[in-house]
Amino acid sequence: AQSVTQLGSHVSVSEGALVLLRCNYSSSVPPYLFWYVQYPNQGLQLLLKYTTGATLVKGINGFEAEFKKSETSFHLTKPSAHMSDAAEYFCAVSGGTGFQKLVFGTGTRLLVSP
Amino acid sequence: DSGVTQTPKHLITATGQRVTLRCSPRSGDLSVYWYQQSLDQGLQFLIQYYNGEERAKGNILERFSAQQFPDLHSELNLSSLELGDSALYFCASSLRAVGEKLFFGSGTQLSVL
Repeated sequence: AQSVTQLGSHVSVSEGALVLLRCNYSSSVPPYLFWYVQYPNQGLQLLLKYTTGATLVKGINGFEAEFKKSETSFHLTKPSAHMSDAAEYFCAVSGGTGFQKLVFGTGTRLLVSP
Repeated sequence: DSGVTQTPKHLITATGQRVTLRCSPRSGDLSVYWYQQSLDQGLQFLIQYYNGEERAKGNILERFSAQQFPDLHSELNLSSLELGDSALYFCASSLRAVGEKLFFGSGTQLSVL
């Protein structure tokens, strides 16, 4: 079975500051890992995904995440926060190929102050 | 725009009633997923269909059922509604299996009064 834990239900940063959203996963098989973003009154949108290969994954809007197997982590970062980054971010895991359900974390709300 | 269409956007109903939520996947996508998002439970996977067949089941109540039709659109039926069923219900689609990118609709906000 797969699961993810997102540390911190809310993260506050100033505009221009580093964004770090934490995600740790548990999986009995090599995982596929995802970060999704949800803006107010909208559905989820994929930011980036890790399947195999390079452990540093670059996504949209300047976000990137690094898969660290030894730490079972997949933290999301962005060097410089923008006001438009304020949203809820979800980490998710699936058990790789096949008809495995995507399991989401509880989400982290990113607040960006001017 | 993700290409996934959900109707209606908002639904207000009373306890004990039955409602149907509809989802049209992205053109060409064979897999449809239903998720429930609530403040206390977060984002919960309900059920997945692939090319008309049920493929995976999550935390879906027996009062809920779903199906995927030959044209690949899907419906989620919620019956004997309770106050606790109030939530945002998302549909997502993908070309094949999970592990690929999911495209989410904007959701149906269900309010049970």
